[in-house]
Amino acid sequence: EPEVTQTPSHQVTQMGQEVILRCVPISNHLYFYWYRQILGQKVEFLVSFYNNEISEKSEIFDDQFSVERPDGSNFTLKIRSTKLEDSAMYFCASSATGVGYGYTFGSGTRLTVV
Amino acid sequence: AQSVAQPEDQVNVAEGNPLTVKCTYSVSGNPYLFWYVQYPNRGLQFLLKYITGDNLVKGSYGFEAEFNKSQTSFHLKKPSALVSDSALYFCAVRDDDYKLSFGAGTTVTVRA
Repeated sequence: EPEVTQTPSHQVTQMGQEVILRCVPISNHLYFYWYRQILGQKVEFLVSFYNNEISEKSEIFDDQFSVERPDGSNFTLKIRSTKLEDSAMYFCASSATGVGYGYTFGSGTRLTVV
Repeated sequence: AQSVAQPEDQVNVAEGNPLTVKCTYSVSGNPYLFWYVQYPNRGLQFLLKYITGDNLVKGSYGFEAEFNKSQTSFHLKKPSALVSDSALYFCAVRDDDYKLSFGAGTTVTVRA
């Protein structure tokens, strides 16, 4: 069964550093998403991406965040200058359609900012 | 905006007993409802969805969910729980802009 692959599984970084979280979506999917889950809290939407541009972003997704699809397979989330409150599990997801079902989620990257 | 609520942080059941994980929703219009499960160190795995049609939806791993419009509920059920069902369960609803809004999650522990 096709999978969404995320790397690394765990990353520790110092406050103020830049991090890039990587995702390889399912190859024939066209819609890509990042969600995050702060420990003990609900999963929250960050951003959706289609046709090489952001289609929607949440209030959380401020100027410190950016997404990119640098080649035909990878989908990355960059946090420019990490803060302690960015510590969370970050999930990538992809779907063949943009109608809000048929998501496949990756296993997540646990980001710890110290 | 659409939202879901999971009133229980934790559910504990004995193996072989019925398992119910509760979810209530608040939507304008027709709801698109989902259940996901998260095992330790794993991603969110899709269990089942309600879009339209029969109120009883069957999903993966023997789970089912009942859509109840009058009670605005979408409870997840399994007739006979297994120890391997111990995990974190999330209810979700499709928002107006096709993204998912998740509940806070319910930790299920099935004891042998």
